[in-house]
Amino acid sequence: EAGVAQSPRYKIIEKRQSVAFWCNPISGHATLYWYQQILGQGPKLLIQFQNNGVVDDSQLPKDRFSAERLKGVDSTLKIQPAKLEDSAVYLCASSGSGFVDEKLFFGSGTQLSVL
Amino acid sequence: SQQGEEDPQALSIQEGENATMNCSYKTSINNLQWYRQNSGRGLVHLILIRSNEREKHSGRLRVTLDTSKKSSSLLITASRAADTASYFCATTPPWGAQKLVFGQGTRLTINP
Repeated sequence: EAGVAQSPRYKIIEKRQSVAFWCNPISGHATLYWYQQILGQGPKLLIQFQNNGVVDDSQLPKDRFSAERLKGVDSTLKIQPAKLEDSAVYLCASSGSGFVDEKLFFGSGTQLSVL
Repeated sequence: SQQGEEDPQALSIQEGENATMNCSYKTSINNLQWYRQNSGRGLVHLILIRSNEREKHSGRLRVTLDTSKKSSSLLITASRAADTASYFCATTPPWGAQKLVFGQGTRLTINP
């Protein structure tokens, strides 16, 4: 079974530039999550999709971050414009249906450095 | 905001010894999960314990849950060098959809 695919693996940009990350979840998984993990901290949920609808985006900085999941499969997370404090690893995860007893499957993440 | 707090933040032991990590959380939960993260990689699910369970085993892993104290522990027995990683607890609230909230993690180093 293929895992969660993310790209790019690394990205270096200057502040005020824009950047986009892509995620392809495990086939058939209805729920997709984007987490932000700052160095030395645990992952923080940015947004959660159930199919192509947003379940939770309460911690997404909507003035600069946006995410979409067209057709309920793969997803894109965008930052525009980037700030220094956005330097982090962006993790995508998926689960079968989003029920409370499900485990999450994570991708390897995209490491973003904002200079 | 972080729900769980792991303790200790870092732990270094000799190969073959047991490693114990603790997690405390603040609000009621539906379940608590433990994940491992190797350096530069994504998180891997280890074990899930429901709020009505007190102890669970999986191979060399033993997890306990005390909902009265809002705490959980993860015990890794007979540690190996490959167990070197960061370990995170994550909780799900008892209402609404699945929403995992992670703690800060414990960095475990196994010395050969």
